[in-house]
Amino acid sequence: GESVGLHLPTLSVQEGDNSIINCAYSNSASDYFIWYKQESGKGPQFIIDIRSNMDKRQGQRVTVLLNKTVKHLSLQIAATQPGDSAVYFCAESREFGNEKLTFGTGTRLTIIP
Amino acid sequence: DTGVSQNPRHKITKRGQNVTFRCDPISEHNRLYWYRQTLGQGPEFLTYFQNEAQLEKSRLLSDRFSAERPKGSFSTLEIQRTEQGDSAMYLCASSLSTSGSTDTQYFGPGTRLTVL
Repeated sequence: GESVGLHLPTLSVQEGDNSIINCAYSNSASDYFIWYKQESGKGPQFIIDIRSNMDKRQGQRVTVLLNKTVKHLSLQIAATQPGDSAVYFCAESREFGNEKLTFGTGTRLTIIP
Repeated sequence: DTGVSQNPRHKITKRGQNVTFRCDPISEHNRLYWYRQTLGQGPEFLTYFQNEAQLEKSRLLSDRFSAERPKGSFSTLEIQRTEQGDSAMYLCASSLSTSGSTDTQYFGPGTRLTVL
């Protein structure tokens, strides 16, 4: 079935540096992608989303890039802070309807002070 | 706090017992979702409601699981005859679905179930 996977399970970044978290998806029909951040003992927190008709979207310190040709999604976090340490999940869905999200296994980002 | 709330936050039960979890969505959100998350994995979809109607159920939702949203507001998830394999974090999310827009799902803090 369709799956969303992540290239790296863990990532350590020096505080203040930029980080990039990658994600691959297999369902070519997916047209809506979301990044969530999950801290220990908490539910996933929405970070940023992107539709399939876009290649890039920016938020506050975060940028999501979408490459539909190779079915690849990435999350860039600029000037990382200790509070960015968490597990990051990408998820995919259909844009309209969005009845359910399919999540990957997550990447644990650790910010080194 | 106007976010999604879930109760209880933790539940420890013995195998074979029944448990019920509650989710209160963000006010006026018409969609409500249940997911299950095991350690080290991403959340897995279980079921969702549009208002009071349950529109989709995953194959993960065995006949021991039942979810309701009787008045289109809060929802309950009941697990009967719990098994050790039911131990997981049960997450609830809600969204506002409107015509022509993508509805973002906002998650609650989850209920962690431990079956002994």
